[in-house]
Amino acid sequence: QKEVEQNSGPLSVPEGAIASLNCTYSDRGSQSFFWYRQYSGKSPELIMFIYSNGDKEDGRFTAQLNKASQYVSLLIRDSQPSDSATYLCAVNSYNNNDMRFGAGTRLTVKP
Amino acid sequence: GAVVSQHPSWVICKSGTSVKIECRSLDFQATTMFWYRQFPKQSLMLMATSNEGSKATYEQGVEKDKFLINHASLTLSTLTVTSAHPEDSSFYICSASGGNNQPQHFGDGTRLSIL
Repeated sequence: QKEVEQNSGPLSVPEGAIASLNCTYSDRGSQSFFWYRQYSGKSPELIMFIYSNGDKEDGRFTAQLNKASQYVSLLIRDSQPSDSATYLCAVNSYNNNDMRFGAGTRLTVKP
Repeated sequence: GAVVSQHPSWVICKSGTSVKIECRSLDFQATTMFWYRQFPKQSLMLMATSNEGSKATYEQGVEKDKFLINHASLTLSTLTVTSAHPEDSSFYICSASGGNNQPQHFGDGTRLSIL
């Protein structure tokens, strides 16, 4: 079982729709959770992080965490073509600076 | 804030050359720095983790004598690809973290092409 699992996609949504990206993790000791965006040929950039159960909103992005289900998601509202990228979920265990990345979900937002 | 600078952006060199890549955290102290490699259309692959003043911890299958990592200060880590060969051609990306549970912040990456 992979430590961090994401659906590889591609996920295709029309412009203006909500894109929902999902991630599950295997280590119950995980304490911090991150979403990165990676455009083709570029390095990853941090979008959001979340530490507590529930929702965290930042602009058009909402991260959702459910530690009981070992599940973290990213919602992108009002999706734009510029949101087309690969989204990486990353999980860190407490007291262990050992971040594990999922393989990423490729999102395409069609105009 | 949290800017990581990586140089050079591009390297093209002959087989057998050694190449050094620098990674600097510009506005924070990075207790840990990470080195990744990414082949086209593939996932990030962690190569090694380094803490300031300590030897790097390499992932399984990564040759420590080929990929030399030095983390001499809290703001600088270097990766040297020794005697590079065409199969070492890849996109190398560094990242830096300010501590446990802190995000990793990535440099812009170095595209290495060995002829």
